[in-house]
Amino acid sequence: GDSVTQTEGPVTVSESESLIINCTYSATSIAYPNLFWYVRYPGEGLQLLLKVITAGQKGSSRGFEATYNKETTSFHLQKASVQESDSAVYYCALGDPNTNKVVFGTGTRLQVLP
Amino acid sequence: DMKVTQMPRYLIKRMGENVLLECGQDMSHETMYWYRQDPGLGLQLIYISYDVDSNSEGDIPKGYRVSRKKREHFSLILDSAKTNQTSVYFCASSFVGGGTEVFFGKGTRLTVV
Repeated sequence: GDSVTQTEGPVTVSESESLIINCTYSATSIAYPNLFWYVRYPGEGLQLLLKVITAGQKGSSRGFEATYNKETTSFHLQKASVQESDSAVYYCALGDPNTNKVVFGTGTRLQVLP
Repeated sequence: DMKVTQMPRYLIKRMGENVLLECGQDMSHETMYWYRQDPGLGLQLIYISYDVDSNSEGDIPKGYRVSRKKREHFSLILDSAKTNQTSVYFCASSFVGGGTEVFFGKGTRLTVV
């Protein structure tokens, strides 16, 4: 089946440091999956951080960015300089535009130290 | 205000009791979902609904059933709850699903004792 594998947390970085959370996917039944990063802040529900639906394109939001790489089946999340308010759990996900199903990774807990 | 609302937020039930988890959305989304999340696992899809009375099994439907009689409401039912159904349940909705944003509720933490 389709699956998503991401960096196992927790990931701890200091404020203003750079960040990368790895995500790779396997889309055996989907020719062109849509890729997403979701985030859950403490006490909140999951919310969309960014999405890319075309291979080769980059999505960005709140200083985060991720590039849809079909060759390496990857969608790594990066940020050049994190802030304490970025502390949250980040989920990589892929969506099947034909069935509307969305498959999530296990989530990566990020802690940013002041 | 775009919102997915889950009720209740916390629930404790005895093994063998019936459980009803309710979800509502105010965005007229056609597609709705029920997921569960356990420690160390990603969100696992239980059921997906494409509209009223148009429901499909997800990856882990065993032990669950759903009901969608109005577009804005989607219920998850556990008949005779089991201890291994202790989990956090998330409801979500979207317009199309695969290519658009999925909106999530805050979750219901269910404990079956």
